[in-house]
Amino acid sequence: GENVEQHPSTLSVQEGDSAVIKCTYSDSASNYFPWYKQELGKRPQLIIDIRSNVGEKKDQRIAVTLNKTAKHFSLHITETQPEDSAVYFCAARTYAGGTSYGKLTFGQGTILTVHP
Amino acid sequence: DVKVTQSSRYLVKRTGEKVFLECVQDMDHENMFWYRQDPGLGLRLIYFSYDVKMKEKGDIPEGYSVSREKKERFSLILESASTNQTSMYLCASSSQIGSGTYEQYFGPGTRLTVT
Repeated sequence: GENVEQHPSTLSVQEGDSAVIKCTYSDSASNYFPWYKQELGKRPQLIIDIRSNVGEKKDQRIAVTLNKTAKHFSLHITETQPEDSAVYFCAARTYAGGTSYGKLTFGQGTILTVHP
Repeated sequence: DVKVTQSSRYLVKRTGEKVFLECVQDMDHENMFWYRQDPGLGLRLIYFSYDVKMKEKGDIPEGYSVSREKKERFSLILESASTNQTSMYLCASSSQIGSGTYEQYFGPGTRLTVT
């Protein structure tokens, strides 16, 4: 099955700096790669996603890049703010074995702390 | 606005008890999922369902079962709770393939402690 590795597990930056979180995946059939943000005590929420036919996607201060050949994708946050502090999860969507139904495999999570 | 609710925020059960966790979504989503979240392990898929009465095993189904009798409701069952099932359980739902989005909407989670 799919395996998603996420690094680093913790990341500490100063306000205004950039933050980069990287993920690798194993299944070349994976075709959709979302990023979820989970603030303390809250539910995960989608912040950005990318499909396998696109190399990069931006939404204001966040961007995601995908390298299908190398099977890795990254989240980039520029001009970080204290409210960006949260746990970030990457995921890869594959088809459940023997079916045409998709499921997400998540990375281990990155705890991002932005210091004022 | 999508709403996914879970029956309890906190639950304490004894070893060997049968435990029911319930999830309800109000967006007419076809797909529903159960994950457990443990520090350093991310979200791991236990079971998912793509239609009423249908279910598929996820990555860690051992010790769990599920039930989906109605489209909006997906239940996770621990037949005989064990201490290693102490965890945060998250339910999620999403639209079917072809709807233009794969986004999963999560519930608030149930913190289960088995003593």
